Amino acid sequence: DAKTTQPPSMDCAEGRAANLPCNHSTISGNEYVYWYRQIHSQGPQYIIHGLKNNETNEMASLIITEDRKSSTLILPHATLRDTAVYYCIVPTGTASKLTFGTGTRLQVTL
Amino acid sequence: ETGVTQTPRHLVMGMTNKKSLKCEQHLGHNAMYWYKQSAKKPLELMFVYSLEERVENNSVPSRFSPECPNSSHLFLHLHTLQPEDSALYLCASSQDPLGAGNGELFFGEGSRLTVL
Repeated sequence: DAKTTQPPSMDCAEGRAANLPCNHSTISGNEYVYWYRQIHSQGPQYIIHGLKNNETNEMASLIITEDRKSSTLILPHATLRDTAVYYCIVPTGTASKLTFGTGTRLQVTL
Repeated sequence: ETGVTQTPRHLVMGMTNKKSLKCEQHLGHNAMYWYKQSAKKPLELMFVYSLEERVENNSVPSRFSPECPNSSHLFLHLHTLQPEDSALYLCASSQDPLGAGNGELFFGEGSRLTVL
C-alpha cells in the first residue's frame, strides 16, 4: 500500500467538527483513499472512500487535495461515540491489500 | 450489527489444544478475510478467500489453518499455538476483492484468543 502518515492522536470537543489529516504523497493516479475507524474492542468500521472528488455520506466528509497528496476526514459534529482509532489507507491494487497502520486516536471530550 | 458474525467471542486454550474460530456473513459477499490484531500492533492480514478459493496467505505459520466451505462461512483451525498467538482475530467480508475501488470491508466483532 502507498505509505500514509497520520498524527498519532487528536482531541476534539463534543459538538465540534473533528478534522483528521492524512498525508499520502506517494499515491498514484488510480489509487483510492479509504478511511476506517475502530472503536475499542470492536472490529474496524468502514467510513468513506474517494479517488479525486470530495465525498460525503451520513458518517463523514472526505476532502482530497487537488494534487491528491493529502486528505482530511471531517466528522461534522463529533460525539463521545466517535472516540476511536481512525485509519487512512491507500491500498495498492486490490482490496485484499488493505494494510492498517497505527492510525489516529481521536478522543472526543465533553 | 455488521452482518458478519464471529464465534466464539472469547476463547482460552492450552498450547496442545485444537480449537476453531468460526465466521459467518449474511451479506452475500464473495470474499472473506482473516486478520490478526495483537496488543499494541496494527492489524495484520492473514488470509483472503475469494469465491471459496484462497488467494492470499501472508506467510502465516501452519499452526493456523483456514477453511472456507462456502462463500458465507470461514473457519480458522488452531493447533499447537504459542502464547504469542494470543490476539484478537477478526473476520471480514467484501463484495469483490479484486477491484481497486472495492475496499469496503465489513468486519465482525472479533474472537479474542488467549493461549496459556
